[in-house]
Amino acid sequence: NAGVTQTPKFQVLKTGQSMTLQCAQDMNHNSMYWYRQDPGMGLRLIYYSASEGTTDKGEVPNGYNVSRLNKREFSLRLESAAPSQTSVYFCASSVVTGAYYEQYFGPGTRLTVT
Amino acid sequence: DQQVKQNSPSLSVQEGRISILNCDYTNSMFDYFLWYKKYPAEGPTFLISISSIKDKNEDGRFTVFLNKSAKHLSLHIVPSQPGDSAVYFCAASAQKLTGGGNKLTFGTGTQLKVEL
Repeated sequence: NAGVTQTPKFQVLKTGQSMTLQCAQDMNHNSMYWYRQDPGMGLRLIYYSASEGTTDKGEVPNGYNVSRLNKREFSLRLESAAPSQTSVYFCASSVVTGAYYEQYFGPGTRLTVT
Repeated sequence: DQQVKQNSPSLSVQEGRISILNCDYTNSMFDYFLWYKKYPAEGPTFLISISSIKDKNEDGRFTVFLNKSAKHLSLHIVPSQPGDSAVYFCAASAQKLTGGGNKLTFGTGTQLKVEL
């Protein structure tokens, strides 16, 4: 049981290049999320998918797109990377515990845009 | 607009003593609060949570206290151990998503260092 996995672990892009960050979970969770973490900013929600077939914007969606490929996989795409997108990206999935949901995080992707 | 605030970027405590990490929030609609622990180069891991109907929740060495009138919560670690050295994030939830899941709002984190 690997939990939440993310690829790649590190990536360097030039301004204007595109790439897709991959995320998969093997816990049969319905909901999945993408966050970015910047120094002094905590984690901010980019997009989420409450269930398979649905996606919605979070707090900072500009410059990103997502695809919920199936129940296991949720990808994040940068169409035209900008230096402001240099960050650490975390994928998470959640399970209900009682009346609430607990989120499990992947190890992160460190992205640098030059 | 920072709805969840951790005003202490760092905290240093001696091994065996109590660590107290604080978190304040402004949104009165938050009804569920969580603490996550993060080591370098790893993702955050869930530590402990509390719902707004309670004022205390314990799990081993970790206790979370919630003061709704003050919009304040704290995490107590007793006794502190060197392995507790990490960044601790406070998070809050006000909205359950249609189909499941919830949106979390995170604080900026507190770096805890437990010294021998």
